[in-house]
Amino acid sequence: DTGVSQDPRHKITKRGQNVTFRCDPISEHNRLYWYRQTLGQGPEFLTYFQNEAQLEKSRLLSDRFSAERPKGSFSTLEIQRTEQGDSAMYLCASSLGGQQETQYFGPGTRLLVL
Amino acid sequence: QKEVEQDPGPLSVPEGAIVSLNCTYSNSAFQYFMWYRQYSRKGPELLMYTYSSGNKEDGRFTAQVDKSSKYISLFIRDSQPSDSATYLCARGLMDSNYQLIWGAGTKLIIKP
Repeated sequence: DTGVSQDPRHKITKRGQNVTFRCDPISEHNRLYWYRQTLGQGPEFLTYFQNEAQLEKSRLLSDRFSAERPKGSFSTLEIQRTEQGDSAMYLCASSLGGQQETQYFGPGTRLLVL
Repeated sequence: QKEVEQDPGPLSVPEGAIVSLNCTYSNSAFQYFMWYRQYSRKGPELLMYTYSSGNKEDGRFTAQVDKSSKYISLFIRDSQPSDSATYLCARGLMDSNYQLIWGAGTKLIIKP
């Protein structure tokens, strides 16, 4: 399977714990995006990378959230001191970039903070 | 007013019917549009994208953009129970090519 993959698919954690999610984009894709989605809503943009450079962060992304893409391939999203309001589906997408900004999504990581 | 608006549904239709899903948007900048399908507890799957006004067809799916009324539509012909999902429309701006603005999605139910 050469699509976008995410790990883990599900995560249950206690409030205050740190969690880290991983995303592996489609191999030739330069751009990588993180979104958050809650029930009944569309995805909310969190951050995006062009190769290894993080070019934009949403104001939704508090200082408890950090994302990296160290070699321009896979990316990690870490949430520190999780809160119950962090419970959501975290989606990763990748794209080739350029004029055709077609984003392909992974299956998501569903986070539940107790 | 949200930038992209969709009726959340649910929209329930019998198998074989033609389905019409719609979005409205508020920004007039040069932009492109996408339709994604999302099954429960899965990531969104790209169905179609379009840059211009008019129709674009792909199998049973037709995307239509009316820029004068800021209205985009997705038509599904010969609907199947497997089409039951949430359909999300998204708008991208040509001068801001990193971010898509999403509607909340319309839940579609195809009854056998």
